[in-house]
Amino acid sequence: AQSVTQLDSHVSVSEGTPVLLRCNYSSSYSPSLFWYVQHPNKGLQLLLKYTSAATLVKGINGFEAEFKKSETSFHLTKPSAHMSDAAEYFCVVSFTGTASKLTFGTGTRLQVTL
Amino acid sequence: EAQVTQNPRYLITVTGKKLTVTCSQNMNHEYMSWYRQDPGLGLRQIYYSMNVEVTDKGDVPEGYKVSRKEKRNFPLILESPSPNQTSLYFCASSSINRDRRNTEAFFGQGTRLTVV
Repeated sequence: AQSVTQLDSHVSVSEGTPVLLRCNYSSSYSPSLFWYVQHPNKGLQLLLKYTSAATLVKGINGFEAEFKKSETSFHLTKPSAHMSDAAEYFCVVSFTGTASKLTFGTGTRLQVTL
Repeated sequence: EAQVTQNPRYLITVTGKKLTVTCSQNMNHEYMSWYRQDPGLGLRQIYYSMNVEVTDKGDVPEGYKVSRKEKRNFPLILESPSPNQTSLYFCASSSINRDRRNTEAFFGQGTRLTVV
């Protein structure tokens, strides 16, 4: 079965400290992987994407993610959190196959404190 | 400007009164889909469409209908809404690459539906 798991439903960090949001996927097919961010009362915005090129992907606002096939992971990181990073983050996977679809993780809410 | 447009943004309706939420994209994308977002459950796919006249059920299709008569439009229809369909709905579109994987998805701004 194809699935994606975000390991933390809520993460709290202090401003200026590193951010790590974890995502694992389960599939026997090669995936495309995405991270989206949703600020309160807003739509979803693409942060970054992996589509079988470089395994370390850089996105907007200083975020990056590394695709690790052996660990089936695509964790999102940022060296230094900013207050404006407080939002909900979704890991999204598209699996190769005849039934193409986007599969969403359940989301991680990032809280940034002073 | 590339965009996905949903209407309305907010809707309050009564149980059983048919409603339609419209979705339109201007990027000539083949793939369009509808999601509902509920607290603690993330986004769950309702229906998707791979191209004109090609639609299929997602994970939570009960109580919903869709149609894809034109490439740009993908309306979501609730024939007889019930309170458990109160949710935040998103429409999305993307293209499909040669490996039959979705490229980046573009999302509408969302429709907050309340059924009383």
